Order: sequence, then structure tokens, then C-alpha cells
Amino acid sequence: EAGVAQSPRYKIIEKRQSVAFWCNPISGHATLYWYQQILGQGPKLLIQFQNNGVVDDSQLPKDRFSAERLKGVDSTLKIQPAKLEDSAVYLCASLLGPLRYEQYFGPGTRLTVT
Amino acid sequence: AQSVTQPDIHITVSEGASLELRCNYSYGATPYLFWYVQSPGQGLQLLLKYFSGDTLVQGIKGFEAEFKRSQSSFNLRKPSVHWSDAAEYFCAVVLGGGGAQKLVFGQGTRLTINP
Repeated sequence: EAGVAQSPRYKIIEKRQSVAFWCNPISGHATLYWYQQILGQGPKLLIQFQNNGVVDDSQLPKDRFSAERLKGVDSTLKIQPAKLEDSAVYLCASLLGPLRYEQYFGPGTRLTVT
Repeated sequence: AQSVTQPDIHITVSEGASLELRCNYSYGATPYLFWYVQSPGQGLQLLLKYFSGDTLVQGIKGFEAEFKRSQSSFNLRKPSVHWSDAAEYFCAVVLGGGGAQKLVFGQGTRLTINP
């Protein structure tokens, strides 16, 4: 079974530029999560999708971050414009469904904003 | 508020020595608890989980954890560490349920292994 795929693995941009990250969850997994992991901290949830609907985006800085999950499969997270404090690892995770509790994580995208 | 605390930011042990990483949670109901490991440049890998039943749970790579409700703890243990165990370890608790469930993580414990 293929795992959660993310791309790119690394990205360096200047502040005020835009960037997009892509995630492909495990096939059949209905729930998809985006986490932000700042160096030295645990992952923090940004947004949660159930199929193609948003369940929780309370921690998403909506003035600069946006995310979508078209057709309930792949997802894209975008930052525009980026700030220095957005430097972090962005992790995508998927979950089979509401009655399961084990999330599977992708390798992450390391973003550096200069 | 529900939270997870890992009191030790960094631990160093010698190869072959025993290991215990601490995790305390604040949660009203019976929690669903996890330990994840993250190697440099990698995503999070699930080591073990506790939902109910036997309070001593076995995981992969020789790890185990014990749920103690009276102490609100879920400490991770390994009897003899290997150099390959050097990594960052995260304790996490599930909040909410069904389609609204989410994970809340502790800040992590970085494990260094001395040869």
C-alpha cells in the first residue's frame, strides 16, 4: 500500500512570495489533515478535510493561507504572501474514516522563507 | 484545556541502556493516546497506540508504553536502545470524535544516543 505522498520535499522562497504544497493521501482515506511543524515544536493542525469538505480550519491563518481538496482526493496548501515565521515543515496526514483513529503521515515539505 | 506535555526536551542515553520518555496529558474522558517517532527529514511514524483495555501496550521496534490513569501519564519505554533510535519522539492525544477528531501533540523529546 502506497503511503501519503507530498511534494516538493524542500522549498526556499523569499518573503512576500507565494508557494504551494501538494498532498496525495492513501487511497480510500476520507480524512486529510495539514499540519505545521515549527522547529523544536510538535505538529500543529492547520486544516482538516472530510472528503472535500472542511471540518476544522480554526487554526489556519486565512489572510495568507488557503487549502483545497478537490474531488476529495489530492489536496493543495498555499501560502500567499509568505512571511519569515512561515518557515516550518508542512505535514500532510490521512485517516481512513471517522471510526478509525490512526493517522498516516507523509514525509513533509520543509519550507524556508528568507 | 486538553493538552499533552512532554517534560523532557532532550534526553541522552548510552547505547544498550534503558529508556523512558515521559508524557502527561490533560483530558477529561478516557484518552486515545499515541507515540510517534520522527527521524531527521522524515515524517511521523506511529510507534504504538492506546485506546482501551490492557494498560501496557507493545509497539514496533521494541517499544512499549504504559497508560496510568491515576498519574495522567503514558510513558514510553525501551529496555535497550540502539543507535538507530536517535530521533524526535512525540506523544499525542485524540480530541473530538468521528469525523471531527484531531491529534494534539506534545512538543517532543529529542533522543540522542551515545556510543
